[in-house]
Amino acid sequence: TQLLEQSPQFLSIQEGENLTVYCNSSSVFSSLQWYRQEPGEGPVLLVTVVTGGEVKKLKRLTFQFGDARKDSSLHITAAQPGDTGLYLCAGAGWTGNQFYFGTGTSLTVIP
Amino acid sequence: GAVVSQHPSRVICKSGTSVKIECRSLDFQATTMFWYRQFPKQSLMLMATSNEGSKATYEQGVEKDKFLINHASLTLSTLTVTSAHPEDSSFYICSARKRTGLNTEAFFGQGTRLTVV
Repeated sequence: TQLLEQSPQFLSIQEGENLTVYCNSSSVFSSLQWYRQEPGEGPVLLVTVVTGGEVKKLKRLTFQFGDARKDSSLHITAAQPGDTGLYLCAGAGWTGNQFYFGTGTSLTVIP
Repeated sequence: GAVVSQHPSRVICKSGTSVKIECRSLDFQATTMFWYRQFPKQSLMLMATSNEGSKATYEQGVEKDKFLINHASLTLSTLTVTSAHPEDSSFYICSARKRTGLNTEAFFGQGTRLTVV
């Protein structure tokens, strides 16, 4: 059983469209990270959200941490082919090495 | 951000041979490193937690004699796939986590594409 469920699992959209990826859990996290991974490479950290309700923007990407610190969303505006990749959320627990990855969302942006 | 270096990025080996993969934290000390396996378009599957100076902790279903882990220093962990078989072909990724205050962030190596022929 995966602690963090992402939806959708796969997403294929046209360039210029908007999209939202969701990361949901029944557990509370001290912080949550979003990563993007391109084929053949390791995941790269995009953002860390720490405070419930927090919203962070990274150019066309908007990240939100749920008020209860159990879920998060990633919204991409005007998607571009360069946004193509696997998006992973990850939640950090409150003690020790607790760190849980989401199920992943594979995004393809078609030119 | 912190840098984790993984080597090699690609390796092809013959069935029955062993392959060693290195993971280094370049600008911070990591008492714990993590080894993942990943299948195409899927999330990361934690294989084991590598602890500096002590035995690694393996996830259920991961053979410790098959995947040998050594964490001899605060900046280096190695994963050795012993007597590799074609079903071991996969993408292997290491990670080290850095705590900044109350936050924990994971940084990843570039990954190693292992092909066993």
